[in-house]
Amino acid sequence: KAGVTQTPRYLIKTRGQQVTLSCSPISGHRSVSWYQQTPGQGLQFLFEYFSETQRNKGNFPGRFSGRQFSNSRSEMNVSTLELGDSALYLCASSLISLGQGADGYTFGSGTRLTVV
Amino acid sequence: DAKTTQPPSMDCAEGRAANLPCNHSTISGNEYVYWYRQIHSQGPQYIIHGLKNNETNEMASLIITEDRKSSTLILPHATLRDTAVYYCIVRLKTGANNLFFGTGTRLTVIP
Repeated sequence: KAGVTQTPRYLIKTRGQQVTLSCSPISGHRSVSWYQQTPGQGLQFLFEYFSETQRNKGNFPGRFSGRQFSNSRSEMNVSTLELGDSALYLCASSLISLGQGADGYTFGSGTRLTVV
Repeated sequence: DAKTTQPPSMDCAEGRAANLPCNHSTISGNEYVYWYRQIHSQGPQYIIHGLKNNETNEMASLIITEDRKSSTLILPHATLRDTAVYYCIVRLKTGANNLFFGTGTRLTVIP
């Protein structure tokens, strides 16, 4: 079966611009989470969506936002880009329903964003 | 925030067992131990998880101490493709899906 698909794979943006990243989860997975990975901070949780609703949010400024569509695909948006937003952005999906547990996430290969 | 402690790096000879330790002394009774690994430039890959019993799957074995304050991930016959950063995470199985990855252990498998 197809894995988690993230597009684009690489992206270069200029400071002050905004960017939208896309994530298509594994078919049937309803939970999508986003993570930022940088050399200095490691892997950090951004937010999680389940059934088009944000269930949980990490400690990131409001410039970072996301949404989930009815087909479970998710997008994240970063506005007013800063140099420090340069990172690998990872999306993960899991087969989970409210009240049930997840055996584990399946991660995509990520989108590498460079802000210049 | 990670609630786990792992050695920053380890080496293992190819073909030998790799034993990766993790301390989680503040783990609560309903928290599971999860292991992921990240090969360079790829997303993390789920390996295994457990609550208190030892677990084994096609990738690895997980040994959890009786007091649950530490665990060991065992790769029985390490190959060069097992070179990666290994993350030990404790979390509830239900509820929010935010994982705290910590810094992990960089395992290098040596030919």
